[in-house]
Amino acid sequence: EAGVAQSPRYKIIEKRQSVAFWCNPISGHATLYWYQQILGQGPKLLIQFQNNGVVDDSQLPKDRFSAERLKGVDSTLKIQPAKLEDSAVYLCASSLRGGQPQHFGDGTRLSIL
Amino acid sequence: AQTVTQSQPEMSVQEAETVTLSCTYDTSESDYYLFWYKQPPSRQMILVIRQEAYKQQNATENRFSVNFQKAAKSFSLKISDSQLGDAAMYFCAYRFLNFGNEKLTFGTGTRLTIIP
Repeated sequence: EAGVAQSPRYKIIEKRQSVAFWCNPISGHATLYWYQQILGQGPKLLIQFQNNGVVDDSQLPKDRFSAERLKGVDSTLKIQPAKLEDSAVYLCASSLRGGQPQHFGDGTRLSIL
Repeated sequence: AQTVTQSQPEMSVQEAETVTLSCTYDTSESDYYLFWYKQPPSRQMILVIRQEAYKQQNATENRFSVNFQKAAKSFSLKISDSQLGDAAMYFCAYRFLNFGNEKLTFGTGTRLTIIP
């Protein structure tokens, strides 16, 4: 079974630029999550999708972050404009449905200069 | 709000020995899930073990077992016969039981080093 795919693996940008991350969940997984992991901390949920609908985006900084999952399969997370404090690893996870174990991708490490 | 605390930033153990990682949490819920995840340098979070709060029996997965003390809100992970491949960051995590609210709340992690 192929795992959760994320790209790019690394990204370096300057502050105020924009950036996008892509995630392809495990085939058939209805629930998709984006987490932000700042260095030295555990991951924090940014947004949860059930198919193409948003279940929880209470911790997503909506003035600069946006996410979509248009066809209920892969998803894109965007930051515009980026700030220095956005430097982190962005992890995508998926689960068969709500309540099932979450499977994580390898993450994207974002560095803001 | 739920919080998860891991008070040991770093731990080390000799290969083949046993090590215990500590975790405490705070919640007002009576039913929930607790997890231990392993994160190697590759960054992928790998599920190690899961415990349902309504089950009194401690979960076990091969060399990994937990000591779940619900009243004390404690959830420690014991790794027996430590192997070099066990070296990683270990995160304790909490999740509500009910569907529609599946976000994981993580602790700050414990870095485990295995000494050959």
